[in-house]
Amino acid sequence: DQQVKQNSPSLSVQEGRISILNCDYTNSMFDYFLWYKKYPAEGPTFLISISSIKDKNEDGRFTVFLNKSAKHLSLHIVPSQPGDSAVYFCAANSGGNEKLTFGTGTRLTIIP
Amino acid sequence: KAGVTQTPRYLIKTRGQQVTLSCSPISGHRSVSWYQQTPGQGLQFLFEYFSETQRNKGNFPGRFSGRQFSNSRSEMNVSTLELGDSALYLCASSLLQRGAGEQFFGPGTRLTVL
Repeated sequence: DQQVKQNSPSLSVQEGRISILNCDYTNSMFDYFLWYKKYPAEGPTFLISISSIKDKNEDGRFTVFLNKSAKHLSLHIVPSQPGDSAVYFCAANSGGNEKLTFGTGTRLTIIP
Repeated sequence: KAGVTQTPRYLIKTRGQQVTLSCSPISGHRSVSWYQQTPGQGLQFLFEYFSETQRNKGNFPGRFSGRQFSNSRSEMNVSTLELGDSALYLCASSLLQRGAGEQFFGPGTRLTVL
């Protein structure tokens, strides 16, 4: 049972445009959501997070939006840069514990 | 500050053998979690240790075990290896005592079972 889903395995975006990565979840107990970025041969790197009490969190070029009623979150990257090309994972946890449930990832390719 | 380190980085074993992987968390981090990454299943949570105690456990068979030492370093062990255990094993550490904080991942150990 995949509780966190990233339905787009891949996404290509022109450099300078907006990249939008989507994530859906089914477990209503999740109360904290995170986005990680992963390059080949490296571990995931934390990007940005959002608590379920908020609907938006912004950090530089990265903004995460949370729609609790739809159980959906998205990551916006503006403007997209070639260095953003990587696999992006959405993750969630609940009750303040360390167990993260990950989505299967979206490979983002930024076209120069 | 040094990041999370994992040793070895690559490992080749045969079916039936056992393996031990090591993780050193970021200095001051007391929580260490382990994840398995495979192409088909993505990143799956194995277990989490805090102050030498297993605090959370994922849905993996008993062949997968771990421990944490007083200096927060952690090891995970897989006994009676199967072909399906071939994966990237990632260790992550975090500072907060009770979740809701980002975890910092190491580069992983790539295990190949032949």
